[in-house]
Amino acid sequence: DARVTQTPRHKVTEMGQEVTMRCQPILGHNTVFWYRQTMMQGLELLAYFRNRAPLDDSGMPKDRFSAEMPDATLATLKIQPSEPRDSAVYFCASGLAQFELGQGARDTEAFFGQGTRLTVV
Amino acid sequence: SQQGEEDPQALSIQEGENATMNCSYKTSINNLQWYRQNSGRGLVHLILIRSNEREKHSGRLRVTLDTSKKSSSLLITASRAADTASYFCATGNFGNEKLTFGTGTRLTIIP
Repeated sequence: DARVTQTPRHKVTEMGQEVTMRCQPILGHNTVFWYRQTMMQGLELLAYFRNRAPLDDSGMPKDRFSAEMPDATLATLKIQPSEPRDSAVYFCASGLAQFELGQGARDTEAFFGQGTRLTVV
Repeated sequence: SQQGEEDPQALSIQEGENATMNCSYKTSINNLQWYRQNSGRGLVHLILIRSNEREKHSGRLRVTLDTSKKSSSLLITASRAADTASYFCATGNFGNEKLTFGTGTRLTIIP
């Protein structure tokens, strides 16, 4: 039963502390997304990777957020230092982008993890 | 920023009725996808429709796409209590498949 695994499921931390969220994508998937969900902003795309290379992280506050893929089985999202406004549910999703000659990637269905609920106090 | 916007924001119907949700988007797309999210859970993919398709069916789901109007609709027929969830549309762009989501429709099925 292939699934995206996120850890931890819940995290409560004090303002100023470093937070690391981890994601294990589905084996064989070549695309990883990080989303943040809040009531006010909805689902925001923070960053996404293809074949472990970052393609777009324009949705991510650069001064405190960083996203990496140390290897094909692990994606990390770090916040340092954390702030109360970072409180949200963070989702990782993976997918297998199909490529057509001359058209680039298409039809990537995203498989979501259960999310990490982050509370910064 | 959101690419898509769902309408209505919330919808309550009786079990057995049909539910229709709409999605509008802003830029050219490669495909449009619909996802469901149960409370406190991750999103689950429902159906994908390509930009060169006009209609697609999957079980009780029917999706239409009008690229001239930059809009899509999701119809759930014969609704069930288990269909209670939030529904999101997501668009994929040509070439990079950067999936961006709409604001969602909260659907409540009344038993």
